[in-house]
Amino acid sequence: RKEVEQDPGPFNVPEGATVAFNCTYSNSASQSFFWYRQDCRKEPKLLMSVYSSGNEDGRFTAQLNRASQYISLLIRDSKLSDSATYLCVVNMRSGGSNYKLTFGKGTLLTVNP
Amino acid sequence: NAGVMQNPRHLVRRRGQEARLRCSPMKGHSHVYWYRQLPEEGLKFMVYLQKENIIDESGMPKERFSAEFPKEGPSILRIQQVVRGDSAAYFCASSPGRLNQPQHFGDGTRLSIL
Repeated sequence: RKEVEQDPGPFNVPEGATVAFNCTYSNSASQSFFWYRQDCRKEPKLLMSVYSSGNEDGRFTAQLNRASQYISLLIRDSKLSDSATYLCVVNMRSGGSNYKLTFGKGTLLTVNP
Repeated sequence: NAGVMQNPRHLVRRRGQEARLRCSPMKGHSHVYWYRQLPEEGLKFMVYLQKENIIDESGMPKERFSAEFPKEGPSILRIQQVVRGDSAAYFCASSPGRLNQPQHFGDGTRLSIL
């Protein structure tokens, strides 16, 4: 089982649609979770952290289910500018008290006019 | 106010040459991470360093690749005797190293091997 597994995509949606991304992780000891977005040929950028109680930032809602080791990202009222690859990211222990991020392969989203 | 600074942005080398990629972390960050991204592929972790120490190099090839983060100066990812397969985008990220703190990425170095 891959450490972080995402929907393979790609997703093509019209403007205004609601789109959901799913992600599972294998290490039950994982402590923190993030969604990043990466535009074509650019660096990954932090979109939002994911908290146990779920959290919302404008049109974006992130959910975490520790029991199922499942993370989701919901985008409402999608915009053309939301077109990007969305990366599910999990912080895992990397020896001693150090942690490193493990990235999913990403899901490509294209929002069409 | 600078973020993570990587240079050069683009680097062209011939097979057999050496490539040196530099990364200066964000101010206040003492932890540096290097990733490689092949065309149409996801990000692959290579190495995690703290000042003067390699914390985790499990993702770095055993031969030709090395990384350092000296007490003074930027972190360096060094690739000796480059081959075509080394062509990729190399991203550096930094963090304060505390749990629940995300990493922030530099713009990356695009390495092309002729």
